[in-house]
Amino acid sequence: AQKVTQAQTEISVVEKEDVTLDCVYETRDTTYYLFWYKQPPSGELVFLIRRNSFDEQNEISGRYSWNFQKSTSSFNFTITASQVVDSAVYFCALSELTQGGSEKLVFGKGMKLTVNP
Amino acid sequence: GAVVSQHPSRVICKSGTSVKIECRSLDFQATTMFWYRQFPKQSLMLMATSNEGSKATYEQGVEKDKFLINHASLTLSTLTVTSAHPEDSSFYICSARDPGTSGRSSKETQYFGPGTRLLVL
Repeated sequence: AQKVTQAQTEISVVEKEDVTLDCVYETRDTTYYLFWYKQPPSGELVFLIRRNSFDEQNEISGRYSWNFQKSTSSFNFTITASQVVDSAVYFCALSELTQGGSEKLVFGKGMKLTVNP
Repeated sequence: GAVVSQHPSRVICKSGTSVKIECRSLDFQATTMFWYRQFPKQSLMLMATSNEGSKATYEQGVEKDKFLINHASLTLSTLTVTSAHPEDSSFYICSARDPGTSGRSSKETQYFGPGTRLLVL
């Protein structure tokens, strides 16, 4: 079975600090997708990134960057120069093929980030 | 990114009543939508996969007669919680898969609605 582990449950930082959110996954699929979503206090999940298993290039988007390493089955997320608006719960997710042939997401437990001014 | 709406955003109902939640993809057609449930401070758990024009596929342990799903069009899926009880109180979130413009047939991104907070008294 697929599994996503976010070992950190809660992190608190001071504004402008860098913070890395860890994600480790388990899968037997050779082709899969990894995702990060942000859930602010309002509850809506905001899509941040999708990465396929064949693309190990790191990605940077503004203050966000992602490090995908298949050798360690990790897909870590770094926020540089954190801001108060980054405070949210962040979920890492892995796509899984269902018995019916469609795909579903398996989510990690989430990591609550609090950025203090 | 693609936009998904949910209605209502919040509902309070009496035990024994039924509640319908709508999920709409606003700027794309979604052949597949998903319904999740999230308890406080917990992760999202998939309840069912909703396919347009066919029966929903329920996850193990989810009662299909209690959580009725209808996906009548490419932009609308509904979840009806029948005979709701206090233990059904939760945050229900839908997502829709945007097939995108690349022509890929799988692994598209799921975009989530804002969620519906259900409180059953």
